[in-house]
Amino acid sequence: EVQLVESGGGLVKPGGSLRLSCAASGFIFSKAWMSWVRQAPGKGLEWVGRIKSKTAGGTTDYAAPVKGRFTISRDDSKNTLYLQMNSLKTEDTAVYYCYYYYMDFWGKGTTVTVSS
Amino acid sequence: DIQMTQSPSSLSASVGDRVTITCRASQGIRNDLGWFEHKPGKAPKRLIYAASSLQSGVPSRFSGSGSGTEFTLTISSLQPEDFATYYCLQNNSSPLTFGGGTKVEIK
Repeated sequence: EVQLVESGGGLVKPGGSLRLSCAASGFIFSKAWMSWVRQAPGKGLEWVGRIKSKTAGGTTDYAAPVKGRFTISRDDSKNTLYLQMNSLKTEDTAVYYCYYYYMDFWGKGTTVTVSS
Repeated sequence: DIQMTQSPSSLSASVGDRVTITCRASQGIRNDLGWFEHKPGKAPKRLIYAASSLQSGVPSRFSGSGSGTEFTLTISSLQPEDFATYYCLQNNSSPLTFGGGTKVEIK
């Protein structure tokens, strides 16, 4: 059974940092191009960024609002995807989903709240 | 970056109605577009990929069409479980971008 399980969400002050994790199982994680997608309260879906598989170069791409502040990485030995979020802003408050586009696999999401 | 303009932003419809949602890309994206359904408290679910291919397990009342810059999602006969928010997503070039969403409500 395919599973994507996010963790690491919580409450953080503006300017703070948080690292989200996404544990994957049930598919060949090392071959997957993985994304993070978020939804702020009352807003639509927003693609955050993506990391390609190592065989495809392992490169990352980011949406403009998070570029330079967020970093996506992966540990294929642990089947885990990460999202390091620095310099957090109140507008980063959202549910963050881990997503495998090719097969349309989604995690259940983890909530990040940025508030003083 | 490619901008996706989705319309309408909301609509009211009755069970059995035919519903059409449109996405327009700011530049040509071939057929690199998917349609997603999102219900509160749940993960999104892809209905259509490559503009017109039905995702496995998705009812045939959902269909997609278009290429280049204009795309359409059609629900041929709206069912009670279809009341949700729908999004398009272009995967032609990075950054990937979603449309603003269409909330389908009960009339």
